[in-house]
This record gives sequence, structure tokens and C-alpha cells, in this order.
Amino acid sequence: KQEVTQIPAALSVPEGENLVLNCSFTDSAIYNLQWFRQDPGKGLTSLLLIQSSQREQTSGRLNASLDKSSGRSTLYIAASQPGDSATYLCAVTVGGTSYGKLTFGQGTILTVHP
Amino acid sequence: GAGVSQSPSNKVTEKGKDVELRCDPISGHTALYWYRQSLGQGLEFLIYFQGNSAPDKSGLPSDRFSAERTGGSVSTLTIQRTQQEDSAVYLCASSLGLGGVAKNIQYFGAGTRLSVL
Repeated sequence: KQEVTQIPAALSVPEGENLVLNCSFTDSAIYNLQWFRQDPGKGLTSLLLIQSSQREQTSGRLNASLDKSSGRSTLYIAASQPGDSATYLCAVTVGGTSYGKLTFGQGTILTVHP
Repeated sequence: GAGVSQSPSNKVTEKGKDVELRCDPISGHTALYWYRQSLGQGLEFLIYFQGNSAPDKSGLPSDRFSAERTGGSVSTLTIQRTQQEDSAVYLCASSLGLGGVAKNIQYFGAGTRLSVL
């Protein structure tokens, strides 16, 4: 059974810092990995999707890397801002008949203070 | 619509009652998913519809849970004889469908917060 773990569970940083969120998964046979952001009382917003054949994806100040063989992904946030405060979730999908089913980590609660 | 729409946004019910939760996916999206988010369990997959294929029901926690998708669009998640442990936020998502990076991205609704008293 695929298990996804995120470290740290919570992170508080001053504005402007660069930071790294970690995600690990137990079964390396994934189809893709996604990073999501969730604001309180709201749904999830997809930030980046990395296919299993890719090593990284970038969007603005965000960069996500994937090392499928070691079962790890990192989300790098450059020059953090208070508006980045949210819960960040990592999720993986596998192929075959389970295609589309996301398995989520427990999330990292990020607080960026001015 | 512009995004995934879920209704109601909040639902309070008594133990033993049946509830129906509705999801309107993004127009043109062939895939629809239901997830449950609770404090103790995090975000869990419940069920997945893709086009006209038989749904993947592997995440439904018990036979009290069922879901339908009519006309390949709107979906209803039904919970019969609700229990207190069913209290959670139920999230719906949709995607374009299979194949390709863009088609894989799931777009989520704001969820229905269910409280079973």
C-alpha cells in the first residue's frame, strides 16, 4: 500500500526566506506526483505536477523536484511571502486501474510572518 | 461553470439520517473524484469516475457510502444511516481525463463540511 509522508508537519519562517518542503513515498512505481496548496476553509489548488519521467517542474517562485528511485520529492519556495502561508500537500498517483486516484501526505502547515 | 461547485457548503445532520452531497464538475471534464478530509485521517480517496467506465469504488469506507454520476456530469455522494465518524469535509475534484500532463491535473471544489450530531 502506497504511503506518503511529509516533513516537517509545520514550519514558521520570516518573510524573504527560501524554504524546502519534503515528501516521501513508499512505492516508487508512481505515474505522477502533485503538490497542492490548501487555504483554510477552501479546496485544494494544484501548484505543480511532475510526471514520473520528469525530474523537476518550475512555476514562478516554486520549484518541485522528483527522485522516483529514492521515493522523494521536494518543493522549494524562493523568497517566501506572507501570502504563501497555507497547508502544502503532496500527492502521488499510480498507473493501471488505479489511475487518477491520489494518495496524499498529511501536509505541511507553512506560516510566513512579516 | 468556472470551477468545481459543491453543495451544500455545510451540512449538519443527526446520527442515522441519510445525506446527499452534490458536485458539479468543470464543464468538459470527463473524470470526477470524491475525497474525504478528516482530522485523524487526512485526505482520503473515496471514488473515481472516468467517462462511461465503471467507477473505481475502492476507497469507499463502507456500504453506507455510494455515489452516482448522471449524464457524465453532476455527481451525488450519498451516505446512508450517518455515523459520527462520517463527520468530515467531503471534497470533489474533476480533470480533463486520461493522458498528458494537463489532463491529469485535478481541480478541487471548496468542499462540503458534514457534521453528524
